[in-house]
Amino acid sequence: DSGVTQTPKHLITATGQRVTLRCSPRSGDLSVYWYQQSLDQGLQFLIQYYNGEERAKGNILERFSAQQFPDLHSELNLSSLELGDSALYFCASSVSGAGSYEQYFGPGTRLTVT
Amino acid sequence: QQQVKQSPQSLIVQKGGISIINCAYENTAFDYFPWYQQFPGKGPALLIAIRPDVSEKKEGRFTISFNKSAKQFSLHIMDSQPGDSATYFCAAAISSGSARQLTFGSGTQLTVLP
Repeated sequence: DSGVTQTPKHLITATGQRVTLRCSPRSGDLSVYWYQQSLDQGLQFLIQYYNGEERAKGNILERFSAQQFPDLHSELNLSSLELGDSALYFCASSVSGAGSYEQYFGPGTRLTVT
Repeated sequence: QQQVKQSPQSLIVQKGGISIINCAYENTAFDYFPWYQQFPGKGPALLIAIRPDVSEKKEGRFTISFNKSAKQFSLHIMDSQPGDSATYFCAAAISSGSARQLTFGSGTQLTVLP
């Protein structure tokens, strides 16, 4: 158990809908990262938040957005969902202090768009 | 330049044998190279990691070999066990202050036969 929690575990929704995925980082970790894992694209970095502020951005679609709240939990919002958005979405957390690089992944949310 | 190329795609090894997975990168700005292990239905788990100023790191049965000039690194699993059967991902990170961006290889599905 990495200490990172994600809810829900599974989500089934229809095309065009909007969903919110939630992540709670490990105690003491200031950074939250979101990743998408699909069969055709592999594991892709989406976005990083550090202490409430966006720090790095990867291949995140404009239909997707994220935020990190004062209690450090994070939410990933996916809107206007398409069939191709079906994937596993992982959250990871890290301390992100000087010299600290380790990222610890949560169990993921499996999103199915029908 | 952001790609990390991983091989082989799949690997079958006998119990007690050595499993070797290779990765190559182009971007010399990468400054951290972790390996993750993922079991079906679970999130990736950090296995071992190396910084580019070190040529080898060993933790138990797992060893990373790093060749900075060739821009290659590899994971060696000694005395492979059936419980090691999983998908292994190499990754490389670019860091800037508190920002971290991990780029993952495509994964290697390891099967260790009893």
